[in-house]
Amino acid sequence: DAGITQSPRHKVTETGTPVTLRCHQTENHRYMYWYRQDPGHGLRLIHYSYGVKDTDKGEVSDGYSVSRSKTEDFLLTLESATSSQTSVYFCAISGIEGGEQYFGPGTRLTVT
Amino acid sequence: ELKVEQNPLFLSMQEGKNYTIYCNYSTTSDRLYWYRQDPGKSLESLFVLLSNGAVKQEGRLMASLDTKARLSTLHITAAVHDLSATYFCAVAPGTYKYIFGTGTRLKVLA
Repeated sequence: DAGITQSPRHKVTETGTPVTLRCHQTENHRYMYWYRQDPGHGLRLIHYSYGVKDTDKGEVSDGYSVSRSKTEDFLLTLESATSSQTSVYFCAISGIEGGEQYFGPGTRLTVT
Repeated sequence: ELKVEQNPLFLSMQEGKNYTIYCNYSTTSDRLYWYRQDPGKSLESLFVLLSNGAVKQEGRLMASLDTKARLSTLHITAAVHDLSATYFCAVAPGTYKYIFGTGTRLKVLA
């Protein structure tokens, strides 16, 4: 299995609070992605990174920001959590552009 | 709008039967991926299809890709209960972008 971990695995937070999710990889892959998974929507790309300090927006980026200061870590921040951000968040990595992705175990986030 | 459509969205089938899941996509893509997801778990890569006419097989599952028709199929042969899961297809139509289908939830009944 690809070495990808996510933390925390579960989190309950209140509306308006900031939240940071962490994705850590040991594969030295260049590309990293954050997705959210909601019933009826499949996986939707939030943000992605194509290198250290190189990030860009996906299709559902509003309300989220990311940072990547090291190859192995990709952080997703919800600046002020809202109930619509209750979801399961998956991190993924790939070694080549557009190549096969490997997914982390996911973080279940509940915003009350 | 880039779209990936899977059908059926839900499939209940008897053990031992055959069936096909379809994945249609609206944009040019030479790469198509199939993933499996068990309830409460992450996504596991099943197949990587990289060219027109590509066919891959693993056990009771076989995937194929027709880039001209923008169609991929996942064929299940003699289904067993262990194949019960949600199956996703995804395309990579451009730089860094992946578009996922909404998934097909498969339930194999004994």
